[in-house]
Amino acid sequence: GAVVSQHPSWVICKSGTSVKIECRSLDFQATTMFWYRQFPKQSLMLMATSNEGSKATYEQGVEKDKFLINHASLTLSTLTVTSAHPEDSSFYICSVIGSSYEQYFGPGTRLTVT
Amino acid sequence: EDKVVQSPLSLVVHEGDTVTLNCSYEVTNFRSLLWYKQEKKAPTFLFMLTSSGIEKKSGRLSSILDKKELFSILNITATQTGDSAIYLCAASGGSNYKLTFGKGTLLTVNP
Repeated sequence: GAVVSQHPSWVICKSGTSVKIECRSLDFQATTMFWYRQFPKQSLMLMATSNEGSKATYEQGVEKDKFLINHASLTLSTLTVTSAHPEDSSFYICSVIGSSYEQYFGPGTRLTVT
Repeated sequence: EDKVVQSPLSLVVHEGDTVTLNCSYEVTNFRSLLWYKQEKKAPTFLFMLTSSGIEKKSGRLSSILDKKELFSILNITATQTGDSAIYLCAASGGSNYKLTFGKGTLLTVNP
């Protein structure tokens, strides 16, 4: 399956600052990547679909101006959480679609906003 | 609205027991049903099922899909403590293959 990395694996930031999370597909060219968020003891919720070379598609209720997604190459998508607040503290996970349309997940980034 | 429901939400068994985890789904333009195992970090891929009635097997784990009744089961035989995890079921649908996840089944295997 596809190998996906994320950086950083965890980050602590102050309220009001912005944080960028990188998702890399290491062995697969991914035209589509997905960004999920997972709160404690809850399941994964899809935030947006990241499309290489075009604008991301956001799920209902996800603010596109707050969660900026850039998919500039076939191996890299970034998620920037702008003006972070404590309620944005969560586990952010990206995924890529494999050759048989299965999804492989990155290791996740734990964001804590103080 | 797309929906995936898993049961039970949690399960405690002893090593050596066999468990069956259930997943039902209602997804527009359904494409496939996926099972993942999540321990402390992100989910790891177990199975993807696209055809009804064809069992997929990997060691002590197996899974099958029923597209007529819209459900899937994941079986784990001879459970071990290392099987303790959250098992997530997800249905893929739509033109971009996005996944809708169930809430997961928390499996605890005691020695």
